[in-house]
Amino acid sequence: AQSVTQLGSHVSVSEGALVLLRCNYSSSVPPYLFWYVQYPNQGLQLLLKYTSAATLVKGINGFEAEFKKSETSFHLTKPSAHMSDAAEYFCAVSDAGGGNKLTFGTGTQLKVEL
Amino acid sequence: NAGVTQTPKFQVLKTGQSMTLQCAQDMNHEYMSWYRQDPGMGLRLIHYSVGAGITDQGEVPNGYNVSRSTTEDFPLRLLSAAPSQTSVYFCASSYGGLAGGKTQYFGPGTRLLVL
Repeated sequence: AQSVTQLGSHVSVSEGALVLLRCNYSSSVPPYLFWYVQYPNQGLQLLLKYTSAATLVKGINGFEAEFKKSETSFHLTKPSAHMSDAAEYFCAVSDAGGGNKLTFGTGTQLKVEL
Repeated sequence: NAGVTQTPKFQVLKTGQSMTLQCAQDMNHEYMSWYRQDPGMGLRLIHYSVGAGITDQGEVPNGYNVSRSTTEDFPLRLLSAAPSQTSVYFCASSYGGLAGGKTQYFGPGTRLLVL
């Protein structure tokens, strides 16, 4: 069975500082990995995804993530946080042959302070 | 394109009442699914469908029924609501097929309170 662990349910950064949101996965087969963002009272929106092409994946709004098989990680980063980045971020995994079924992590709430 | 739409946005039910949460998409997606979101638990899959007439259970299916008579619509039914079903419900859709990695598009959610 596949699973995702997001370390840190709440992360706070200063505006302009580096954003690092951690995601570790468990999968018995090569995984597909996703980061979704949820703004208050809205649905989820895809930030980026890894589908076995390049290990460094660039997404929208300046976010990127690196797939590291040896560490079973897919951490999300952004060099400089903006106030508009305040939201909840979810890491999710699906596996090859599993179709579209996603397993989500528990989420990380990002707070950006002046 | 309207994308994925959900109605109602908010609903209050009494224990034992039934209701249907509506979900529709206009992107001709084969795959549709329902998730519930609870604090500290992320999103959990309730039911999903790989095409019209085909549905299957997800991680937390108890207390919920679904059907898929058209490609566009995927309603979720609560036959006898319980307080444990208080949650935010999201519908999502994507292109189908066994190969993974497809982007799922989410609706805006339905907030349900069961008293």
